[in-house]
Amino acid sequence: GIQVEQSPPDLILQEGANSTLRCNFSDSVNNLQWFHQNPWGQLINLFYIPSGTKQNGRLSATTVATERYSLLYISSSQTTDSGVYFCAVGPRANSKLTFGKGITLSVRP
Amino acid sequence: EPEVTQTPSHQVTQMGQEVILRCVPISNHLYFYWYRQILGQKVEFLVSFYNNEISEKSEIFDDQFSVERPDGSNFTLKIRSTKLEDSAMYFCARNRDASGANVLTFGAGSRLTVL
Repeated sequence: GIQVEQSPPDLILQEGANSTLRCNFSDSVNNLQWFHQNPWGQLINLFYIPSGTKQNGRLSATTVATERYSLLYISSSQTTDSGVYFCAVGPRANSKLTFGKGITLSVRP
Repeated sequence: EPEVTQTPSHQVTQMGQEVILRCVPISNHLYFYWYRQILGQKVEFLVSFYNNEISEKSEIFDDQFSVERPDGSNFTLKIRSTKLEDSAMYFCARNRDASGANVLTFGAGSRLTVL
């Protein structure tokens, strides 16, 4: 099956810093989504981005499908950004998603 | 569409017991999914359900697992005879958010502890 690799595995930031989280995948996909799992365990969808670039406030994401990677940018990080960020991919819009192992982000005040 | 609601939020059971996890509400026009996350690990797909049928299932979803729509509004995951390794957070999800966008939207999860 498709492999999803996320890097770095852990990231510690000072509040206000910027960061880039990377997701590499082993096969072509038509479904790629980024999620944030907060410290209470809730999974929140951030972006549906099988290709191109999207922005939502301080967050933006870019997927280069032909090169099989996606990037999540966090600008001016806040302590509430802490948690685990998952990239998940699938072959079709409503197919199962294969998740990466996640990136644990800690933002310190 | 209303949010995905899961019950119970936490269940503790003895090994070998049957467990039913519930997800409400559902619609005939949406895909529904069950995923699970063993503590500290990644999220794993179990099964997808569309139009009253299983659409896809993973190798984890063996004969011990089943999904149903018992009354047209609930979507349930049943584990017939729980094992210690079934201890995990189980998430129900649908393929639309509140605005109708095609994004996977999760419930808050049901934590299952098997003793």
